[in-house]
Amino acid sequence: GAVVSQHPSWVICKSGTSVKIECRSLDFQATTMFWYRQFPKQSLMLMATSNEGSKATYEQGVEKDKFLINHASLTLSTLTVTSAHPEDSSFYICSAPGPGVNQPQHFGDGTRLSIL
Amino acid sequence: KNQVEQSPQSLIILEGKNCTLQCNYTVSPFSNLRWYKQDTGRGPVSLTIMTFSENTKSNGRYTATLDADTKQSSLHITASQLSDSASYICVVTSNSGYALNFGKGTSLLVTP
Repeated sequence: GAVVSQHPSWVICKSGTSVKIECRSLDFQATTMFWYRQFPKQSLMLMATSNEGSKATYEQGVEKDKFLINHASLTLSTLTVTSAHPEDSSFYICSAPGPGVNQPQHFGDGTRLSIL
Repeated sequence: KNQVEQSPQSLIILEGKNCTLQCNYTVSPFSNLRWYKQDTGRGPVSLTIMTFSENTKSNGRYTATLDADTKQSSLHITASQLSDSASYICVVTSNSGYALNFGKGTSLLVTP
């Protein structure tokens, strides 16, 4: 079945570092991918919609200069957290809609980001 | 405003027992409703999908129901296992496209 791979699964880094997270659709093409943020015991919060070949669409309140999204191919979207600070520490998840009608979103396994 | 409300927020049951999770929504127009299971530190995995015309759908020990008139759905877990311990998230999609509306999830703990 459709699989979405997310890498890395866990990042610990110093404040001020920029961190890149990759999201790949392994056996299907995804012109659209989604990036979420999840705090402990909270639901997923959509941050932005990544569109292949065009600019990402950001949700209200999400800083596009802080969270850079690049969807360079039909199977890869990247999220870069620039100059990360402790308040950026969270669980980041990507998803891509499966091919076909009424296919579910296929989620990556998430990236745990810890900024010291 | 499109909303998805889940209850209970958390639930503890003994291994082998059954349980039912609830999802009420106000999303309109409605396209489909999915239940996802999210293990701690992992991404959500789809369990079932319900479209407007479907009332019941099963996936192994998981059975989802949908009442599109009252905008309610339930997820019934039969003969629970320790591995069922996870967060169960109700996600409702509107006809406007990929707009997903997430519930806050029900945290289920199955104890020996």
